[in-house]
Amino acid sequence: ILNVEQSPQSLHVQEGDSTNFTCSFPSSNFYALHWYRWETAKSPEALFVMTLNGDEKKKGRISATLNTKEGYSYLYIKGSQPEDSATYLCAFITGNQFYFGTGTSLTVIP
Amino acid sequence: DTEVTQTPKHLVMGMTNKKSLKCEQHMGHRAMYWYKQKAKKPPELMFVYSYEKLSINESVPSRFSPECPNSSLLNLHLHALQPEDSALYLCASSQEGTSGGVDTQYFGPGTRLTVL
Repeated sequence: ILNVEQSPQSLHVQEGDSTNFTCSFPSSNFYALHWYRWETAKSPEALFVMTLNGDEKKKGRISATLNTKEGYSYLYIKGSQPEDSATYLCAFITGNQFYFGTGTSLTVIP
Repeated sequence: DTEVTQTPKHLVMGMTNKKSLKCEQHMGHRAMYWYKQKAKKPPELMFVYSYEKLSINESVPSRFSPECPNSSLLNLHLHALQPEDSALYLCASSQEGTSGGVDTQYFGPGTRLTVL
């Protein structure tokens, strides 16, 4: 079983603050890295699928970067809003194997 | 329609019961997945169906039996489960199942299973 680490485990920020968190994964046999946002009692929602070293993706106030050589991806949220409160999961894909991290739980305080 | 639906939302069953979980999507996706998630742990992949054929079985005990009657529907048949099988069971679908994981997966809300 591969280790996919996410840090921090949880995070509380004030509304308007920018924040970022990390997903660390093995640097060999990389196929793709997925980011998901999971609100309580809802379905996980795909944010980004990243495949190339140096990829940067953006969706509104959320962006992500990828470094496959050193095995990490950062997720950034600019100007956090209460509706950003959720658990953010990354998934490392190698071949047809999917390995999720334990997630970062973000709470944005109004 | 980008929705994956799962029924039931909650299920409580005894160790001698037989029950089934159902997952449905109408996005024309050809790959469907079952995941199991225990509290405070990451989702773990159980099965992958690609073009209605089982392509991945992650050494899941035979008391879990998947079935893909057609490309829109995925079932998980449960029999003689143990209390430690209590978990959230998530279904997902993606465009293809053979593209090396680069397709976006769309998840259902899950079925919360409790085995007494």
